[in-house]
Amino acid sequence: QLQLQESGSGLVKPSQTLLVTCTVSGGSMSTGGYSWNWIRQPPGKGLEWMGYIYHSGGTDYHPSLKSRLTISVDRSRNQFSLTLSSVTAADTAVYFCAREVQLRSYYYMDVWGKGTTVTVSS
Amino acid sequence: DIQMTQSPSSLSASVGDRVTVTCRASQSIDNYLNWYQQKPGMAPKLLIYAGSILQSGVPPRFSGSGSGTDYTLTISSLLPEDFATYYCQQSYSSPYTFGQGTKLEIK
Repeated sequence: QLQLQESGSGLVKPSQTLLVTCTVSGGSMSTGGYSWNWIRQPPGKGLEWMGYIYHSGGTDYHPSLKSRLTISVDRSRNQFSLTLSSVTAADTAVYFCAREVQLRSYYYMDVWGKGTTVTVSS
Repeated sequence: DIQMTQSPSSLSASVGDRVTVTCRASQSIDNYLNWYQQKPGMAPKLLIYAGSILQSGVPPRFSGSGSGTDYTLTISSLLPEDFATYYCQQSYSSPYTFGQGTKLEIK
């Protein structure tokens, strides 16, 4: 059964770069028909989609984050990562990774990691 | 960006009640509409995709319907484990967007 697990820098100083990695187990990222997503949730607030990457390396980013966000894939480790530069307190959130099924008319996120909390503070 | 508006933002109900949550998109999203359930401290869980298709393993008391811009999630008879926050999400176009959430509380 496919599982996703986030890991990353729990505390980041303002203006620095945040890094979170998602390790995929129980299946391969190289299987077609999926994208690999990042979603975040500030404390007490709703969900915000950040972007995704395909196994091939193709990406799509939220326009509001595009200048600061990079999503990359490490095929050898079956991992994908998020880096967010120039962080501020507004980037404090739980960061989730999720697999999205992309099949004909069906696009949905069916497997999620448990999330990792990142706090931006000096 | 497509704006997703859920109503109500919060809802009090009792075990056994039938409840409906509504999600309206700012433009037609052609059934590219998913529903998630989130409990405190946990990741969202997919309930329904493509507007009305029940995800495997999700109890049939959950159902979804709608078309165009307007979609609904219905829980036919609430169980204690259904008290949670529910989000709709459009996957019609990038950037994907979520509704603000509907918190379902015990009356």
